[in-house]
Amino acid sequence: AQKITQTQPGMFVQEKEAVTLDCTYDTSDPSYGLFWYKQPSSGEMIFLIYQGSYDQQNATEGRYSLNFQKARKSANLVISASQLGDSAMYFCAMREMDSNYQLIWGAGTKLIIKP
Amino acid sequence: GAGVSQTPSNKVTEKGKYVELRCDPISGHTALYWYRQSLGQGPEFLIYFQGTGAADDSGLPNDRFFAVRPEGSVSTLKIQRTERGDSAVYLCASSSGQVTDTQYFGPGTRLTVL
Repeated sequence: AQKITQTQPGMFVQEKEAVTLDCTYDTSDPSYGLFWYKQPSSGEMIFLIYQGSYDQQNATEGRYSLNFQKARKSANLVISASQLGDSAMYFCAMREMDSNYQLIWGAGTKLIIKP
Repeated sequence: GAGVSQTPSNKVTEKGKYVELRCDPISGHTALYWYRQSLGQGPEFLIYFQGTGAADDSGLPNDRFFAVRPEGSVSTLKIQRTERGDSAVYLCASSSGQVTDTQYFGPGTRLTVL
């Protein structure tokens, strides 16, 4: 069974609009962390935001915020005021605390921002 | 400070040859990870080092793959008798080694086996 599911293979969004990228996860470990990374065409994996399973508030980092709904096991990334430079692949990943810290990855969403 | 660096950025080799991929982590990071990313997919875990020792090598696909980190800093991923199916981007990441810390990635090495 997929541990991380990203249901949107591709998205087109108009510049300056907000965009939500979906991520659902599956774990029985009560302690885990959720990550979002951006991978531009250059290939480097860039860390965006982290949410711990025990965090009481949704994580925010500048224009990025994480809509964490623990009961639904979803951790959607919200990008406000999108910019052309946001065009990239976006990956959701999970680390279960019993898993020797390895990250388990979704298949990614390709986001294209239209001018 | 400097991020994670990987060399070479691109490697083209012939089937059956031996290759070495190098990763230089962020200074002071005790944890180091290797992942493999095939085209159009998310990365797959290969191996995790804590210091000099491989704490988890469960992701290595077979015994042609081996990795070392002899001094607890630079790591080398070694692939023997390469096959066309080994073609992928090999990503290295490092972290401070704490439970909740973030893994920071290098630019990757694109390996092509002809």
